[in-house]
Amino acid sequence: DIQMTQSPSTLSASVGDRVTITCRASQSISSWLAWYQQKPGKAPKLLIYKASNLDTGVPSRFNGGGSGTEFTLTISSLQPDDFATYYCQHFRYTFGQGTKLEIK
Amino acid sequence: QVQLVESGGGLVKPGGSLRLSCAASGFTFSDYYMSWIRQAPGKGLEWVSYISSSSSYTNYADSVKGRFTISRDNAKNSLYLQMNSLRAEDTAVYWCARELHTATTITGAFDMWGQGTMVTVSS
Repeated sequence: DIQMTQSPSTLSASVGDRVTITCRASQSISSWLAWYQQKPGKAPKLLIYKASNLDTGVPSRFNGGGSGTEFTLTISSLQPDDFATYYCQHFRYTFGQGTKLEIK
Repeated sequence: QVQLVESGGGLVKPGGSLRLSCAASGFTFSDYYMSWIRQAPGKGLEWVSYISSSSSYTNYADSVKGRFTISRDNAKNSLYLQMNSLRAEDTAVYWCARELHTATTITGAFDMWGQGTMVTVSS
């Protein structure tokens, strides 16, 4: 089975910062990677699919990159609404363990 | 209104059964693959099961294989998850989710989620 590992597990940042979350696959997954944002008590929200495609309505400050085994989610200028937990996911099945983005 | 609404969660004893339902509206349900995903309290997301648009294909996480059964009724715009032999570790919020597809390809990503239904397995 393919394992997905995110880093860091927790990230402290300030409004306006540029932040990057990394997701590594245990073997090549081509571009079959999605990113989600989840806030407490809510369902996850799709941000990025197929590694770099922004879902409809997602702000352009979110950017996804990578292929094969290493992927990144970059938020170019953090907004107050962005503080949440982020998950990567390999094609339908395996989620990463999550990265909690906290206010510094 | 485009939405998914889950129901059927609750408190059940270990070894018991529960059937979750997911009602879809506002889109052509029969066009989409659907999945169940769960999240135990304080934990991460875990994909549980998926079903293809015409019910031809299903798959399950190893943790639920042989105990859970996914099904759908496209005429009723509904998705189901029959959960048998429930264990304490099945305690979680369960979401149904729609799998995004573009004009040319599936994506393996979930672009629409319900509000979730809580399943608690405890004696």
